[in-house]
Amino acid sequence: DAGITQSPRHKVTETGTPVTLRCHQTENHRYMYWYRQDPGHGLRLIHYSYGVKDTDKGEVSDGYSVSRSKTEDFLLTLESATSSQTSVYFCASGTAGGTYGYTFGSGTRLTVV
Amino acid sequence: TQLLEQSPQFLSIQEGENLTVYCNSSSVFSSLQWYRQEPGEGPVLLVTVVTGGEVKKLKRLTFQFGDARKDSSLHITAAQPGDTGLYLCAGAGSGGSNYKLTFGKGTLLTVNP
Repeated sequence: DAGITQSPRHKVTETGTPVTLRCHQTENHRYMYWYRQDPGHGLRLIHYSYGVKDTDKGEVSDGYSVSRSKTEDFLLTLESATSSQTSVYFCASGTAGGTYGYTFGSGTRLTVV
Repeated sequence: TQLLEQSPQFLSIQEGENLTVYCNSSSVFSSLQWYRQEPGEGPVLLVTVVTGGEVKKLKRLTFQFGDARKDSSLHITAAQPGDTGLYLCAGAGSGGSNYKLTFGKGTLLTVNP
């Protein structure tokens, strides 16, 4: 079984609609992260969590919110989707923060039209 | 802000050739990781280096962490088409910032048969 599962894998949505992306991990990792990956920008951190109900902003958090009600689940919500949020979104988790690396999910390709 | 610069950005070689990818920063990292990402998938952790001057080998891949823990290199011997992918380096900060990784923008390697 995959350590991290992201859903959906692909989504097309309209501008102005809310969208929630889901991340589920079976690694029992304390830390979880949401990144977006865009050509020319690489991986950019949106939000991260260092425990249940403990979250903080990353470098590109505007327009995004997160929630973590259980160790294994980390949700990313686009409050009102815009075309600039068209991207590939990756969830990651780690047991000792970044020190020994992350396990990544397979990504969600989101298109906002 | 910690930055990681990867070079080259693109690399296209023939099967059997050797290559080196570089990852440089002006910041000191407590650890550094290398990932490989294939199209449509998330990055997969290849190696973590922690000690300055450390060298790790993974079959035909050799990873080195600089003595000052500011840079790293990845050397591939006798490259094969299966080595094709995006190679990412990522560094963990020290002290209270080690839970977040800083990613380079990646080196896109194509190995032609």
